[in-house]
Amino acid sequence: DVKVTQSSRYLVKRTGEKVFLECVQDMDHENMFWYRQDPGLGLRLIYFSYDVKMKEKGDIPEGYSVSREKKERFSLILESASTNQTSMYLCASSFAGGNQPQHFGDGTRLSIL
Amino acid sequence: GNSVTQMEGPVTLSEEAFLTINCTYTATGYPSLFWYVQYPGEGLQLLLKATKADDKGSNKGFEATYRKETTSFHLEKGSVQVSDSAVYFCALSDPLAGGTSYGKLTFGQGTILTVHP
Repeated sequence: DVKVTQSSRYLVKRTGEKVFLECVQDMDHENMFWYRQDPGLGLRLIYFSYDVKMKEKGDIPEGYSVSREKKERFSLILESASTNQTSMYLCASSFAGGNQPQHFGDGTRLSIL
Repeated sequence: GNSVTQMEGPVTLSEEAFLTINCTYTATGYPSLFWYVQYPGEGLQLLLKATKADDKGSNKGFEATYRKETTSFHLEKGSVQVSDSAVYFCALSDPLAGGTSYGKLTFGQGTILTVHP
């Protein structure tokens, strides 16, 4: 089975802190994705990566950056956390190709105080 | 651009009732279609998929048929259980999407299903 592991299930940080969310997949997938999920808004794509060191902005990249130094690891960085970034963050990965399903981690519930 | 529209929830059913969750889409090409399920406190899991017109995806008693003429992919189950209570997402992937859009999914808003004993 595909395993996508997010480093924390719950995280509490303070406004202005730099926050790192880590995601690791074990299936040699080319693509990796970061979403945030908020009630009534569904899933919104923050960033995705289709290869090592390659990244593309999603629908809501403002206030976030990403890093992909190794194929299996994709990090989401909140440069200066703000309360409106309190949310559920989901990581996903998939093989390259237009009809490949994405496989999701269990999510990180991040609270910014 | 691509979009997915799901029926609004929440949907509340009694155990053993018939379930339909509607999903319609717009896409520039010939997309692949997916249903994902999210149980409380968990990430999304792939429930089923269909990659071309008239394909039927099925899993765990759930079914959905790719209807190109109506641009729909409705999720159905003949007899729901309490354990089916979850959020259900319809999604599409457009294999003709150019450049780095290749491989991205477009999600619907999600439909909350609650099944009572």
